[in-house]
Amino acid sequence: GEDVEQSLFLSVREGDSSVINCTYTDSSSTYLYWYKQEPGAGLQLLTYIFSNMDMKQDQRLTVLLNKKDKHLSLRIADTQTGDSAIYFCAESKRSNDYKLSFGAGTTVTVRA
Amino acid sequence: EPEVTQTPSHQVTQMGQEVILRCVPISNHLYFYWYRQILGQKVEFLVSFYNNEISEKSEIFDDQFSVERPDGSNFTLKIRSTKLEDSAMYFCASSEDIFLAKNIQYFGAGTRLSVL
Repeated sequence: GEDVEQSLFLSVREGDSSVINCTYTDSSSTYLYWYKQEPGAGLQLLTYIFSNMDMKQDQRLTVLLNKKDKHLSLRIADTQTGDSAIYFCAESKRSNDYKLSFGAGTTVTVRA
Repeated sequence: EPEVTQTPSHQVTQMGQEVILRCVPISNHLYFYWYRQILGQKVEFLVSFYNNEISEKSEIFDDQFSVERPDGSNFTLKIRSTKLEDSAMYFCASSEDIFLAKNIQYFGAGTRLSVL
């Protein structure tokens, strides 16, 4: 089935690293994504990882995928106030035209 | 950078009225999607569209909903007779293809629908 779970809130100090965690249940998931939503705005694609990868790094963002545990994480290095937003984990698979199944979102608050 | 655009950004309507939400996907994209997000809830898939027909729809997408690509650029979601529970943010997304790395979905900024 399709079930994506995330913790709801994360508070982090400016300059520290943020780690946002996500678990999914569908082992046939092909792609896993992180989207960012700022207040009143749309969904901005941050990064994605194919299920045959373990890690992907893109500037301050590091995605780790543990397929055995069905666990995905997003690490943001040197967190800035502009990183305050809701972060959504999502999965898709080939068998249903890659429609996205989203988690509930993690609200990240960056404090000075 | 190409982007998905949605209009209007906010639509207020009376219960029972028809609304049409409009989207202009990225120009070389072939797959189109609508999602919705009720306030405080998850983003939910509504429908996917390819080659001028629906390829998949969720149980939310009942007979009150329809999608259309009336010309080469627009992709619309119509709600025939709105209900209070249709109040939500509606997101349009498009992807270049569904194979390999081209299935990444890019989202518009959304249309907030308020049904009174």
